[in-house]
Amino acid sequence: RKEVEQDPGPFNVPEGATVAFNCTYSNSASQSFFWYRQDCRKEPKLLMSVYSSGNEDGRFTAQLNRASQYISLLIRDSKLSDSATYLCVVSPYSSASKIIFGSGTRLSIRP
Amino acid sequence: DARVTQTPRHKVTEMGQEVTMRCQPILGHNTVFWYRQTMMQGLELLAYFRNRAPLDDSGMPKDRFSAEMPDATLATLKIQPSEPRDSAVYFCASGLDLYGELFFGEGSRLTVL
Repeated sequence: RKEVEQDPGPFNVPEGATVAFNCTYSNSASQSFFWYRQDCRKEPKLLMSVYSSGNEDGRFTAQLNRASQYISLLIRDSKLSDSATYLCVVSPYSSASKIIFGSGTRLSIRP
Repeated sequence: DARVTQTPRHKVTEMGQEVTMRCQPILGHNTVFWYRQTMMQGLELLAYFRNRAPLDDSGMPKDRFSAEMPDATLATLKIQPSEPRDSAVYFCASGLDLYGELFFGEGSRLTVL
């Protein structure tokens, strides 16, 4: 089983739709969680951190469920510019552990 | 605007040649990571450093890959000899600690013929 698993997609949704991705992780002691965004042929960039209480940034909402070991990303009122690959990231609980990136979920927003 | 700088941006070489990729982390960052990205494997962690000390390079093929930080402003990833299966985009990223945001360079796109 992979340490971090994501549905690769692609998700193809119309502009204005709401779309949600999940990401599961295997290490229950993981400490920090993030969503990164990667545009085609570009480097990954931080989209948002994921806090235990859930957090929102404009149209984006991130949730963490430690009991079930998954994090989610919800995008409301999707825009054409949201088309990208979204990477789930799980950070270690100690310096001996690795930062693990999921393989990403591709999202394509159509007009 | 502080950013991670990687060179070269593109490299085409023949099998068996040595390849060296360089990375200048953001000034003040104390962690540096090397990732490799392919369509099939996604982002794979090759090696990472904290305060210039290597913490983990278990993701790297040791017989041909080596990663070093000769000083705080330079990280290198070397492949010798290169093979076609090494063709990928190699990203360097730096951060302030092991638990926070990573800032990526634009990547080095390697093609080994």
